[in-house]
Amino acid sequence: KQEVTQIPAALSVPEGENLVLNCSFTDSAIYNLQWFRQDPGKGLTSLLLIQSSQREQTSGRLNASLDKSSGRSTLYIAASQPGDSATYLCAVRGGSNYKLTFGKGTLLTVNP
Amino acid sequence: DVKVTQSSRYLVKRTGEKVFLECVQDMDHENMFWYRQDPGLGLRLIYFSYDVKMKEKGDIPEGYSVSREKKERFSLILESASTNQTSMYLCASSRPTGAEDQPQHFGDGTRLSIL
Repeated sequence: KQEVTQIPAALSVPEGENLVLNCSFTDSAIYNLQWFRQDPGKGLTSLLLIQSSQREQTSGRLNASLDKSSGRSTLYIAASQPGDSATYLCAVRGGSNYKLTFGKGTLLTVNP
Repeated sequence: DVKVTQSSRYLVKRTGEKVFLECVQDMDHENMFWYRQDPGLGLRLIYFSYDVKMKEKGDIPEGYSVSREKKERFSLILESASTNQTSMYLCASSRPTGAEDQPQHFGDGTRLSIL
């Protein structure tokens, strides 16, 4: 059974700092890995999706990498801003259906 | 932009009631999903549907059923609500898998309290 772990559970940084969020998964036979952002009391917003054949994806100040063999992904946020404060979740899709297995998230606080 | 709309942001119901949660998407997506999100447990898949009238159980289907009579609408039904079904419920939709996966798009959630 796939398990997804995110470390750290919470992170507080000063504005302007570059930071890395980590995600690990136990079964490397995945189709893709997705990173989401969730603001308090809201739904999830898709940030980046990395196909199993890809090593990384970039969108603006965000860069996500994927190492399937070691079961790891990182989300790099450059020049963090207070507006980046949110919970970040990673999810992996494995198998022949559409099911995503989610980590429990990292709560990021960027202090002005 | 993809829009996934859940009918209620907050809902309070009583134990034993039959509860309907509605979700509508406007992007002609084939796939639709219902999750629940609980502190310490994260998101868990309840049911998903890959076509009209088609459904598959997720990780925690017990006590729930779903209905998909039209492509744009996916309903979650709590047959007889219980207090342990108090939770945040999230609906999502996506295109079917082709050469590449497409991301799931989520609604804003329904916070359901069962008293």
